[in-house]
Amino acid sequence: GAGVSQTPSNKVTEKGKYVELRCDPISGHTALYWYRQSLGQGPEFLIYFQGTGAADDSGLPNDRFFAVRPEGSVSTLKIQRTERGDSAVYLCASSPSGGRGEKLFFGSGTQLSVL
Amino acid sequence: GQQVMQIPQYQHVQEGEDFTTYCNSSTTLSNIQWYKQRPGGHPVFLIQLVKSGEVKKQKRLTFQFGEAKKNSSLHITATQTTDVGTYFCAGVTQGGSEKLVFGKGTKLTVNP
Repeated sequence: GAGVSQTPSNKVTEKGKYVELRCDPISGHTALYWYRQSLGQGPEFLIYFQGTGAADDSGLPNDRFFAVRPEGSVSTLKIQRTERGDSAVYLCASSPSGGRGEKLFFGSGTQLSVL
Repeated sequence: GQQVMQIPQYQHVQEGEDFTTYCNSSTTLSNIQWYKQRPGGHPVFLIQLVKSGEVKKQKRLTFQFGEAKKNSSLHITATQTTDVGTYFCAGVTQGGSEKLVFGKGTKLTVNP
């Protein structure tokens, strides 16, 4: 595709529910990143995929958060038992090969609101 | 863990004035990148610096990477209203994983 696509653009859910956020990277990009951005803050690293495998998941805040990328392209970020503190914009980014210092191409994000 | 700090958090200038934001890392970086996020938008890559002491220019923007590769700055000469947005630095730790760690950003507003 022309750019990184994220769906949905907005998601409103109730506390305790399960949500899935989808990211479709730029075609051919092997590296995919998930970040979370709260209002007035910088993007906070969550997880980084190189192909199908998670190369670094050190940013996932707890075991309620999980991400997959089964075929090395589309990725899904899954959040179980959502809490109000999970409300934020979830940004996905991709880069051609994930090499050190490659620039990231960001999607427009999913605004998650947990009521 | 790696931390990237930016100052100031906010900067308001009159159009035509200069603007500078500073970035400091707790660890030595292999490279540093700068991104701009317009209000309601997503971060967009501006530039990458790799070498110690490197200076790069993009029109009215000047980017510097410190000699110790632990700090960086972005300077905008003669700001315009189109410069409005939040500027983030983001670094990759030398010898660490490829993850890019972002600072909290400097939000620039420009009064016409």
